[in-house]
Amino acid sequence: EADIYQTPRYLVIGTGKKITLECSQTMGHDKMYWYQQDPGMELHLIHYSYGVNSTEKGDLSSESTVSRIRTEHFPLTLESARPSHTSQYLCASSTSNTEAFFGQGTRLTVV
Amino acid sequence: GNSVTQMEGPVTLSEEAFLTINCTYTATGYPSLFWYVQYPGEGLQLLLKATKADDKGSNKGFEATYRKETTSFHLEKGSVQVSDSAVYFCALRPDTGRRALTFGSGTRLQVQP
Repeated sequence: EADIYQTPRYLVIGTGKKITLECSQTMGHDKMYWYQQDPGMELHLIHYSYGVNSTEKGDLSSESTVSRIRTEHFPLTLESARPSHTSQYLCASSTSNTEAFFGQGTRLTVV
Repeated sequence: GNSVTQMEGPVTLSEEAFLTINCTYTATGYPSLFWYVQYPGEGLQLLLKATKADDKGSNKGFEATYRKETTSFHLEKGSVQVSDSAVYFCALRPDTGRRALTFGSGTRLQVQP
């Protein structure tokens, strides 16, 4: 069983609000990821972290930002939420030699 | 760049039918290949993996063989159950550079009793 946790599971929020999606893992993995999953199911990498204080943008442009101050914690922030940000956000972690372990996801709805 | 192509769904089967979900990939070098499964309202779970050519990954009756000559990693199961209904994703992880997973578009499987 994967030890990676995302909170909240569901979030409904108004336009213009600032939000932070939390992701924590207890496996000591150096690499962490955020994927955005659209209603058509496709998964797109939006952020990637190699380790503490090392992050980069993914393949899909996103207005969100991330930070990696501690190995186990990789929060994603939206400064001003918009309806176009409505989606499912999946966090994952791995080492160079293991598969990626995924959290249960946060389903965000911006109204 | 790297890419994964998998058959479109939904795939609808009767219980105990044979399942094949096709997956092909484009990548340089020797990527690792994975099948993940997503049940409704959940994150992704690893189903099986293969890290080098001719490896066969297997789990819960599912199998897939890493075929480098055809750049394929097709998922098979001999007898599906209603509980196998889910979305299945094929993915690759490159062996160099940024080692994040690249996913296929997902295939929804519906198994009817």
